[in-house]
Amino acid sequence: DAGVIQSPRHEVTEMGQEVTLRCKPISGHDYLFWYRQTMMRGLELLIYFNNNVPIDDSGMPEDRFSAKMPNASFSTLKIQPSEPRDSAVYFCASSLKLSTRGLAPYFGPGTRLTVL
Amino acid sequence: GQQLNQSPQSMFIQEGEDVSMNCTSSSIFNTWLWYKQDPGEGPVLLIALYKAGELTSNGRLTAQFGITRKDSFLNISASIPSDVGIYFCAGRNNFGNEKLTFGTGTRLTIIP
Repeated sequence: DAGVIQSPRHEVTEMGQEVTLRCKPISGHDYLFWYRQTMMRGLELLIYFNNNVPIDDSGMPEDRFSAKMPNASFSTLKIQPSEPRDSAVYFCASSLKLSTRGLAPYFGPGTRLTVL
Repeated sequence: GQQLNQSPQSMFIQEGEDVSMNCTSSSIFNTWLWYKQDPGEGPVLLIALYKAGELTSNGRLTAQFGITRKDSFLNISASIPSDVGIYFCAGRNNFGNEKLTFGTGTRLTIIP
C-alpha cells in the first residue's frame, strides 16, 4: 500500500514568493495533519483535519499560512508570502481513528523548504 | 510549542548492546507513541500505547506506558546498525483533541 505522498520533496524559493506544499493521505484515513520540523522547535503541529474539515489550526504561525483539504485524497499547505524563517521540513501525516483507541499518525517523507 | 522531556539526548553504543530511553511529561497522557526518524525521511511509527501500565513489543523493541501516565519507556535489545536514527516519543493528553506533543528526540549512534 502506498503511504502518505508529499510533493515536492524539496523546494527552494525566494522571500516573498508563494509556496504550495501538497499531500495525498493514505486511502481510507479520515484524519490529516500538517507538521513542521526545525532544529530549534522540533516537531510542531500546524493544523489538522477530520473528514476534510479543519479542526484545530491553533498551530498555524500567522495569516501567511493557510491549509485546505478539498477532498479526502488531497490537501495543500500554502505560505504567502514566504519568509526565510519559514525554512523547515514540512510533514503531512494521516490516520484512521479506531473507536477504542486514539490516533497514531503515519507520516509522509516531508518537503524540505528553503526560503532565501 | 510544548515538548516532552526525552532522555538521553544522544547515545553512543556498540552493536549488540541493549538501549533504553524514556520520555517524561508534567501532565498526564492517555496515549504514548514512539517513532523513529532516519535522515531525510519522515518519522516512522514503531509502537503505540493506550493504557497505563501497558507493555507492547515490536520485534526487538519494547515500550511501556508508565503507571503514573506521565512517562513512557522504549527499550531496544541487541542493537544492530539499522537501529541508528532519532527516536521520538509523542503523547496525547486530551480525548477529543487529536494534537500530539513530541519529545525532543534521542539520537542513537552505533560505534563500529
